[in-house]
Amino acid sequence: ETGVTQSPTHLIKTRGQQVTLRCSSQSGHNTVSWYQQALGQGPQFIFQYYREEENGRGNFPPRFSGLQFPNYSSELNVNALELDDSALYLCASSPAGGTGSYEQYFGPGTRLTVT
Amino acid sequence: GNSVTQMEGPVTLSEEAFLTINCTYTATGYPSLFWYVQYPGEGLQLLLKATKADDKGSNKGFEATYRKETTSFHLEKGSVQVSDSAVYFCALSSNSGYSTLTFGKGTMLLVSP
Repeated sequence: ETGVTQSPTHLIKTRGQQVTLRCSSQSGHNTVSWYQQALGQGPQFIFQYYREEENGRGNFPPRFSGLQFPNYSSELNVNALELDDSALYLCASSPAGGTGSYEQYFGPGTRLTVT
Repeated sequence: GNSVTQMEGPVTLSEEAFLTINCTYTATGYPSLFWYVQYPGEGLQLLLKATKADDKGSNKGFEATYRKETTSFHLEKGSVQVSDSAVYFCALSSNSGYSTLTFGKGTMLLVSP
């Protein structure tokens, strides 16, 4: 069984640029959540996708957007990058339709640095 | 809203010492509670969970009991190893609506030989 994978591993961007991060969910999982983890902090929920629709959103501005594809993989897009967007971005998948307390399985993350 | 508070680290212990990392939470309803572990340069791994009051989650010698009366979920291990050095996150998941995790800030554990 393949776990959650993310690409790229590391990324360096300049302020004002746009970035796309990718995530492949674990086999059989139809729900993907994205989290931002700033240095020394716990992960913060960005949004969740279920069956290609945004199922919930945390306190992040609209320049953070996402997609989920029919194979349940997902993208996180961030426009107009700011220095504070520098963080580890974590993707997590779960088997249920976004409800209940099903376990979330995390990928290794993408380290984004904005200069 | 939901929130999780963990004891600040780092927690520094010698090998074979007893470990406690405190975690308390604020939530509406009856959340599920989790401990995740993050090793250097890696993502999060689920360590253990409990889904209702008085449940005890356990894994790899770690355990935590869901205490509704004190809104706590403290992590314990009787004898830590150097390989347990990592950052530990307490988290909760609401059982209503869509499921997302609310994390504490994490507690770094350093175990020396």
